[in-house]
Amino acid sequence: GAGVSQSPSNKVTEKGKDVELRCDPISGHTALYWYRQSLGQGLEFLIYFQGNSAPDKSGLPSDRFSAERTGGSVSTLTIQRTQQEDSAVYLCASSLGPRGYNEQFFGPGTRLTVL
Amino acid sequence: AQRVTQPEKLLSVFKGAPVELKCNYSYSGSPELFWYVQYSRQRLQLLLRHISRESIKGFTADLNKGETSFHLKKPFAQEEDSAMYYCALSPNAGNNRKLIWGLGTSLAVNP
Repeated sequence: GAGVSQSPSNKVTEKGKDVELRCDPISGHTALYWYRQSLGQGLEFLIYFQGNSAPDKSGLPSDRFSAERTGGSVSTLTIQRTQQEDSAVYLCASSLGPRGYNEQFFGPGTRLTVL
Repeated sequence: AQRVTQPEKLLSVFKGAPVELKCNYSYSGSPELFWYVQYSRQRLQLLLRHISRESIKGFTADLNKGETSFHLKKPFAQEEDSAMYYCALSPNAGNNRKLIWGLGTSLAVNP
């Protein structure tokens, strides 16, 4: 089957605009993660969805960031009023969740550039 | 607090030399440990996990509970091993099994 997919692959936007990034996890995976990878930096956790539980939003850097996961599948990460420091690669990953050994499968990422 | 520490941001070795990427963790229970790798222009992917005790691409990692370490080792580095390596920890129980990540080590294997 298909792996984790993300769209768009690249997004260039102007400072102050809103952007939406999409993630399609592997079918049957109950856990979904969003990460940010900035140039020269490591992997920064943003948000974690597990089944129907309340998401773990502890990694969101500001209230301009939000994410939804509809129907336990597709997820959208929204960044409002983008700033130049938001420029990064945004990675999505999914895993089987508590019933599995929790290997995460990553998407190719969305490269966001804020001008 | 749960934490994964990779003390080296960058590690540079020559081809054929042994390589060890360090990973230390802080966790009160018995975690699952993983190494993930990201080659240039490729997706981040699982390299190996401690429960499988396998060698992947010549790499091995042993969980040392006494030293709370999970160092990644390879006796003879190859140029194609150049990549970003991340150590990660998963709590082994409960519904919130969010992976805890180290900041990564960039390995450069020089010819």
